[in-house]
Amino acid sequence: AQSVTQPDIHITVSEGASLELRCNYSYGATPYLFWYVQSPGQGLQLLLKYFSGDTLVQGIKGFEAEFKRSQSSFNLRKPSVHWSDAAEYFCAVAPYGGATNKLIFGTGTLLAVQP
Amino acid sequence: GAGVSQTPSNKVTEKGKYVELRCDPISGHTALYWYRQSLGQGPEFLIYFQGTGAADDSGLPNDRFFAVRPEGSVSTLKIQRTERGDSAVYLCASSTPSGGGTLNYNEQFFGPGTRLTVL
Repeated sequence: AQSVTQPDIHITVSEGASLELRCNYSYGATPYLFWYVQSPGQGLQLLLKYFSGDTLVQGIKGFEAEFKRSQSSFNLRKPSVHWSDAAEYFCAVAPYGGATNKLIFGTGTLLAVQP
Repeated sequence: GAGVSQTPSNKVTEKGKYVELRCDPISGHTALYWYRQSLGQGPEFLIYFQGTGAADDSGLPNDRFFAVRPEGSVSTLKIQRTERGDSAVYLCASSTPSGGGTLNYNEQFFGPGTRLTVL
C-alpha cells in the first residue's frame, strides 16, 4: 500500500536558521510528490511539487525540495527560516497515472520558530 | 476569484444525529475531493467527483457517509448516525479535470474546512 512517512512530529528552529523537513514514501513507482503548508485557520497551501525531471524543485516562500529516488525521499528545505514559517507541513503523494489523483498525506511536521 | 468555500466552519452535534457539510468549489473546477483530517493526522481521502458522478468513493469509511454533487458544482457530505469518532476537520478541494499522465495532474485547491465535533 502507498504510504508517506514524516518522522519528525515537531521541530523547533531559531529564526534565521536553516530548515530540513523529512519525507519518505512507499510506492511501487515514482509518484507525484508534494509539500503543503497549513497555518491555523487556513486551508492547505501547495508549496511545491515534483513530477519528473530536475530532482531539485523550487517552490513558493523560498522553499525547495530534493527528490532522491534511491532513498524514496522528498525532503523540504529552506536556508533561512522566518517567524511566519511557523505552521504544519505535510508531505503528500499522488500515484503516477492514477485516474483520480487523490492525495495521500503524511502525518505532518509542526514547525515552531524561536525568535 | 473566490477560492473553495465550506460551510459551516464549525458544527457541533450529538451522537446519533445527522449532519450535512457543504463545499462550494472554485468556479469551473469539475473535479472535487473530500478529505478528513483527524487530530494529529494528515488529511485522508474520502471521495472524488468528476462532474456529477463519484468516480472514486474508496475512502468513505462506512455506509453512514455519503456525498452528492447533483449539478456538478456544490457538493454535500452527509453523515448519518454520527459517532464520536467522526469528529474531525472535513476538507474539500477542487481542481480542473484530473487524469492520468505527467501533464494531466492539476493542483488541488483546498478550502478552510469544517470542524465537526460529535458530543
